[in-house]
Amino acid sequence: QQPVQSPQAVILREGEDAVINCSSSKALYSVHWYRQKHGEAPVFLMILLKGGEQKGHEKISASFNEKKQQSSLYLTASQLSYSGTYFCGTGRLSGSRLTFGEGTQLTVNP
Amino acid sequence: NAGVTQTPKFQVLKTGQSMTLQCAQDMNHNSMYWYRQDPGMGLRLIYYSASEGTTDKGEVPNGYNVSRLNKREFSLRLESAAPSQTSVYFCASSEGRLTYEQYFGPGTRLTVT
Repeated sequence: QQPVQSPQAVILREGEDAVINCSSSKALYSVHWYRQKHGEAPVFLMILLKGGEQKGHEKISASFNEKKQQSSLYLTASQLSYSGTYFCGTGRLSGSRLTFGEGTQLTVNP
Repeated sequence: NAGVTQTPKFQVLKTGQSMTLQCAQDMNHNSMYWYRQDPGMGLRLIYYSASEGTTDKGEVPNGYNVSRLNKREFSLRLESAAPSQTSVYFCASSEGRLTYEQYFGPGTRLTVT
C-alpha cells in the first residue's frame, strides 16, 4: 500500500527549515528518501531501518517512528539546491521492493 | 564508472507497436528494477529482479515483460503499446534489497500515440 506524504508542496526562503512526513498503514522495515529535480532521475538521500540504523546525507536528517509507521525528513537551513520533489519509499520485512509515495514538491526561493 | 545507463532516451510509438527498453549497470549490483513515473506522480514499480535469474511482478506489470539477461542487464518489453503506457521509465539497481540505496538511470521518455 502506498505511503502518504505530507505536505504535498512547500515553499521556503533560503535558510528556513522544513519537515516532510511519510506515513504507512503497514508495519515497516525500511524507509528510503530520494530527491528528484525536474527532468532528472531520483537521487538517494537516506535510508532508515527498523532498529534505528540510519545511513545518509550530511546536511539532511530523518527519523523513523516504528510504532507509528512514520518517517520524517528534516531539512534545516535550506539552500537553493534543496529544491526538488522528495519521495519516500517504504519496505516491509517480508518483501523485496519499495513502495513510493506521491512526493512532496519543495521550492526554496532566495 | 557509468552507473546505470538506459537506451533510448526518447521514443515515440504508435498504438500496437512493440519495443524494448534496455538497461545496464556496471556496479555489480544484484537487484534491478523498472519503474514508471506519470506526471505529478510517484514511482510505480513494474517489475523487479532481486537477483540474477529471478524476476517478479511489481504494482503495475500488465502490458509489460522483462528479461534479466545477465547480472548487468535488465530489459523491459512492451509487446503492444497503448496510450496509457505513455510515461517516463526509470531503471534502477541496488546491491541488495531493502537495506541498500537504489541508483537510478536517466530515464526513457516514451510517448504512445
